[in-house]
Amino acid sequence: SQQGEEDPQALSIQEGENATMNCSYKTSINNLQWYRQNSGRGLVHLILIRSNEREKHSGRLRVTLDTSKKSSSLLITASRAADTASYFCATDEGYNQGGKLIFGQGTELSVKP
Amino acid sequence: EAQVTQNPRYLITVTGKKLTVTCSQNMNHEYMSWYRQDPGLGLRQIYYSMNVEVTDKGDVPEGYKVSRKEKRNFPLILESPSPNQTSLYFCASSKGVRYTGELFFGEGSRLTVL
Repeated sequence: SQQGEEDPQALSIQEGENATMNCSYKTSINNLQWYRQNSGRGLVHLILIRSNEREKHSGRLRVTLDTSKKSSSLLITASRAADTASYFCATDEGYNQGGKLIFGQGTELSVKP
Repeated sequence: EAQVTQNPRYLITVTGKKLTVTCSQNMNHEYMSWYRQDPGLGLRQIYYSMNVEVTDKGDVPEGYKVSRKEKRNFPLILESPSPNQTSLYFCASSKGVRYTGELFFGEGSRLTVL
């Protein structure tokens, strides 16, 4: 089942610009996470935001969560060429039955030097 | 170093030849899971395990088996691989018995079934 859906599917920006990616989901969640994947490599956890939080920061990353709209956004400030990767949101569907993390399709970010 | 290790990283095999992809984590995590990643379909969960001897189906379990005899290992077994199982496979683990937090991923196993 598709829970998180990212938007846009692809984003191309210049180094130094900010990148914003959005994620929408359908059912209630306990938390939402963002992951990064460099081409063909394993996913790396970036940040987790709980359903009772509205905003969270980690270095150049800022995540917001709006549970009323069932949406989240990931902002990468002052982007660098090394930020080029795919970014996925993931939600814990059915968390009180404990077991599933559902990933969206991802946003491909390209940061040009 | 805390890590999830998958083997093999790359494999080309033929239809019907049984294979096992191993997964091992050194973080004493309770929860482990297998995903497959396909273009246009994203990551889909195959099986997961919340503890030793406890496994459950994910979204796409057909054609796969798993076992969890020890906490650290969670092998994925393809009894009779078919070309539609050609994919990039990821093993992941998390410390909660019920999944609630960060997943740690292996580097992936790229499987081609001819």
